Amino acid sequence: GAGVSQTPSNKVTEKGKYVELRCDPISGHTALYWYRQSLGQGPEFLIYFQGTGAADDSGLPNDRFFAVRPEGSVSTLKIQRTERGDSAVYLCASSLTATDPQPQHFGDGTRLSIL
Amino acid sequence: AQSVAQPEDQVNVAEGNPLTVKCTYSVSGNPYLFWYVQYPNRGLQFLLKYITGDNLVKGSYGFEAEFNKSQTSFHLKKPSALVSDSALYFCAVRDDGAGSYQLTFGKGTKLSVIP
Repeated sequence: GAGVSQTPSNKVTEKGKYVELRCDPISGHTALYWYRQSLGQGPEFLIYFQGTGAADDSGLPNDRFFAVRPEGSVSTLKIQRTERGDSAVYLCASSLTATDPQPQHFGDGTRLSIL
Repeated sequence: AQSVAQPEDQVNVAEGNPLTVKCTYSVSGNPYLFWYVQYPNRGLQFLLKYITGDNLVKGSYGFEAEFNKSQTSFHLKKPSALVSDSALYFCAVRDDGAGSYQLTFGKGTKLSVIP
């Protein structure tokens, strides 16, 4: 497939557990973004990568959230000590570059439920 | 700071009638504006963007949007609505003077096209 791929599509876990969410961007896209969408809201920015480095992590809510993109392609969003308030849909997007105003192309998201 | 407002939570329109979904924005620099559509349990699909130039932008599936700088608006329009247009629509903005490449989204407008 040519689109952004996110796995798993659904994740249910208990409060306090650690979770990893994976994003596989469109091939050749150097910019990758993570957003969080709560029920009835628009996506909210978390972090963006240009290549391997996190160029802007100003949207991460606290130090329980961390993301990596070690080879400049696949990215993993990691959440430690999950809380019920972390329940949301986590969306990944990619674009050719970040500097030009290219459209961001979104995956279908991971629906995270913290019990 | 950049922000977007979508003043209508829901818009209802009869099939075949023209539709408008409203969006206003606030930025300190020049705006890059985007419209996305979201179907249930799916990610966001790009419809169209305004970067510079002609104020009337044409996009996918017959949608268009009009950029109005004096009113800081970017309303989405379609001359003749289809039942299949029923979905959630998001307006997003990026401030070219902000030094960051994140998008800020509105809360979304649910469009219902009635047969």
